[in-house]
Order: sequence, then C-alpha cells, then structure tokens
Amino acid sequence: GAGVSQSPRYKVAKRGQDVALRCDPISGHVSLFWYQQALGQGPEFLTYFQNEAQLDKSGLPSDRFFAERPEGSVSTLKIQRTQQEDSAVYLCASSSGTVGSPLHFGNGTRLTVT
Amino acid sequence: DQQVKQNSPSLSVQEGRISILNCDYTNSMFDYFLWYKKYPAEGPTFLISISSIKDKNEDGRFTVFLNKSAKHLSLHIVPSQPGDSAVYFCAASARYETSYDKVIFGPGTSLSVIP
Repeated sequence: GAGVSQSPRYKVAKRGQDVALRCDPISGHVSLFWYQQALGQGPEFLTYFQNEAQLDKSGLPSDRFFAERPEGSVSTLKIQRTQQEDSAVYLCASSSGTVGSPLHFGNGTRLTVT
Repeated sequence: DQQVKQNSPSLSVQEGRISILNCDYTNSMFDYFLWYKKYPAEGPTFLISISSIKDKNEDGRFTVFLNKSAKHLSLHIVPSQPGDSAVYFCAASARYETSYDKVIFGPGTSLSVIP
C-alpha cells in the first residue's frame, strides 16, 4: 500500500492481558517510530528504529513495553500485563530518514484497557 | 517540561478569513519545525515545515513564520475553509543528540472554520 498501515484499529483488553500492535511502514522507509497519544494531548515519543536496529527506546514508559522490527520493515509494539493507564492511541510513523523529512503516520490503534 | 507549547487549545474563525495558529518552543537546538493536521480517527498528516535557518515558508494557502529570537512560530491559513477544521500540531525536530530527527509534538490546537 501507499501509506502506513496499522492493525488492529481498535483493541479492548482486560487489565493484565498482553497485547500486540502491528505497523506496516511505507516500503523503503528506513526510519520507524512509535508514539503514544493520550486524549487531548499531542503524540508522545516511545521508540525509534533505523532499519532493524532499535536506536532509541527512551520513551517506553516501563519494561512492560517492548518493540521489535526484526527484518527492518514490519514492526510490533507489545504491551505485557496491560494497565488502565496504557489506554491511549498508539501511532506508528515512518520516514525516509533524511534530515528534515516528515513523518508519515498510520491511523493508529486505539487501545482500551478495562 | 514541555519543549513545544501551543497555548491555545482551540480557535474559531469565519470562512474566508485568516487563521493564525501559534507555537512556542524552548530548545534552541531544534533544526526543523513542522505542522501536522489531524482529523478524528485518523493519524496526523504532514502539512508544511521550515528549516531553522529560514524565517518563512509558503505553500499555497499555508505559510509558516519562524522567529528564532523569540522561539516562536506561527501557521497562517488564508483563506480559511471549512475543510481546514481539524487539530493542528506544531512539532520540532533535533538531530544534535541523536543520529536521527527526534520529533517532539505540541499538545495541539483545534481549529473550527465556521461557514
């Protein structure tokens, strides 16, 4: 496809369950980002991949959050033992990686933890 | 501490008039400033950007102005159209501490253009 694709669009999880969120970036994009957006706020950085290498995971809120991009294309964000405060929209974005190049976002996964 | 600030949560403008969205930042090392537009249930889409070495960039109805001494930028939309009603995020990127553009977003301003 032409854009960034995320699945599922909506996920409801019971507190304590594990979830996995998938991102298909634009083909050929070196850079891949995950952001978390709470209601009424701007996207907050979680982690960054350059090809398959996770170069920055400083924004991951706890060790329950884990991301991977094993072949340098599709990425998965996994949240273990979900908590209510994990409820948010999780956005994936990709870019060519050149200086100043804009991020291209998917439509996000809305996670609700009950 | 918030590095990118948008102090107006919402703005209403009459169709055909100018919309001015403001943004302030604290980090003087930012290289690029970007504006994104977001409709409900969609991801943000890139609108326009400006390099820190410039003071103005124009693309059709959209113009971004940068005042580095004041650490302030603004997005002007002229003329405003109802389809411009969306949330606008100001964002800034820096590469000085990393090998990539780390993009920081503001909290957003919700623009309503009234027909």
